[in-house]
Amino acid sequence: ETGVTQTPRHLVMGMTNKKSLKCEQHLGHNAMYWYKQSAKKPLELMFVYNFKEQTENNSVPSRFSPECPNSSHLFLHLHTLQPEDSALYLCASSQGGRETQYFGPGTRLLVL
Amino acid sequence: GENVEQHPSTLSVQEGDSAVIKCTYSDSASNYFPWYKQELGKRPQLIIDIRSNVGEKKDQRIAVTLNKTAKHFSLHITETQPEDSAVYFCAAGDYKLSFGAGTTVTVRA
Repeated sequence: ETGVTQTPRHLVMGMTNKKSLKCEQHLGHNAMYWYKQSAKKPLELMFVYNFKEQTENNSVPSRFSPECPNSSHLFLHLHTLQPEDSALYLCASSQGGRETQYFGPGTRLLVL
Repeated sequence: GENVEQHPSTLSVQEGDSAVIKCTYSDSASNYFPWYKQELGKRPQLIIDIRSNVGEKKDQRIAVTLNKTAKHFSLHITETQPEDSAVYFCAAGDYKLSFGAGTTVTVRA
């Protein structure tokens, strides 16, 4: 699969688990984003990275910890999540911060 | 921050008719307005976008209009087809996008 890929596609975890979501973009972009998509709600921007530097943290709880080791990879580390964190987590990338964002397929997360 | 409102939340149209979705935004500094289509179980995909220096843009059956003074923009789909059935999201912003809540469009055959 080309473009923006995400793994895993589905994840079930308990509230005491620690897991990580991975995003990789093959488009040569330099900006990457994490979004949360819940039913009946707008897409919520969580984090923005531009040239590996975090430029936005949209008041996200500390149980979500992003990591961007290079412009092609983005991780979201999860620990002690709550059931209300269950959602689709989407990664996106763009060429610069003001250009079209391309989304990955998402990770469907269920917290029990 | 930016606040984007999208209406209607659901829209049912007869095949061949037109569909119109409207969005309003609050931040006059926003200068980029993309529209995304998300089919069930799939990722959002960009279908058209417009920047604040343009009032209208068209791509085949899809068009977007922007009124900066009134802070609203609209998506127009003409000659709708069953494959147009999906959830459509508008967004507004600059490097940071705020999204509308989405419109579920159903095209009846």
